[in-house]
Amino acid sequence: AQRVTQPEKLLSVFKGAPVELKCNYSYSGSPELFWYVQYSRQRLQLLLRHISRESIKGFTADLNKGETSFHLKKPFAQEEDSAMYYCALSPIISGNTPLVFGKGTRLSVIA
Amino acid sequence: GAGVSQSPRYKVAKRGQDVALRCDPISGHVSLFWYQQALGQGPEFLTYFQNEAQLDKSGLPSDRFFAERPEGSVSTLKIQRTQQEDSAVYLCASSRLETQYFGPGTRLLVL
Repeated sequence: AQRVTQPEKLLSVFKGAPVELKCNYSYSGSPELFWYVQYSRQRLQLLLRHISRESIKGFTADLNKGETSFHLKKPFAQEEDSAMYYCALSPIISGNTPLVFGKGTRLSVIA
Repeated sequence: GAGVSQSPRYKVAKRGQDVALRCDPISGHVSLFWYQQALGQGPEFLTYFQNEAQLDKSGLPSDRFFAERPEGSVSTLKIQRTQQEDSAVYLCASSRLETQYFGPGTRLLVL
């Protein structure tokens, strides 16, 4: 069964501090991993996906197949990063398939 | 361009009432997905379409839930005889390739 685990419901950091949002997954194949973000009063939107290897808004995430993790990192948190973050999995790389989401982590950046 | 739209944005229903939730995908997007997001949870897959074909409905929680996309564009999610446990945000997403674009959701409250 496919499962995505985000162990932290809430993460509070000070502005300028490093951020790491944890995501672990369970899936027997080679999935594609995503991070979605939802800012206050906005819709869910894609932040980044592992296959594109991009850095978006200073965030990066590396897929670690050995640890089945896809943690989201940013070296210096900004107040505008405060939002709800969801890690998601698709069982097929570059496939158009339903996503399996974690329960989300609320990031609060304190000024 | 216009994103995914959903209507109504909010719906209050009495237990036992039927409801219909509408999703207008981005023009030209072949795939359309419905997710259910309960309070404090991540989105959970309900069903998805490729054009007018419903390819997977394994996530529908009961036979009271029914979805259609008769012309391969607009989709309707219908819930018959609503129950309190149906209270959630219902999200629609559409995609042409790998990235799913989400609508604002319909918040359903069953009293």
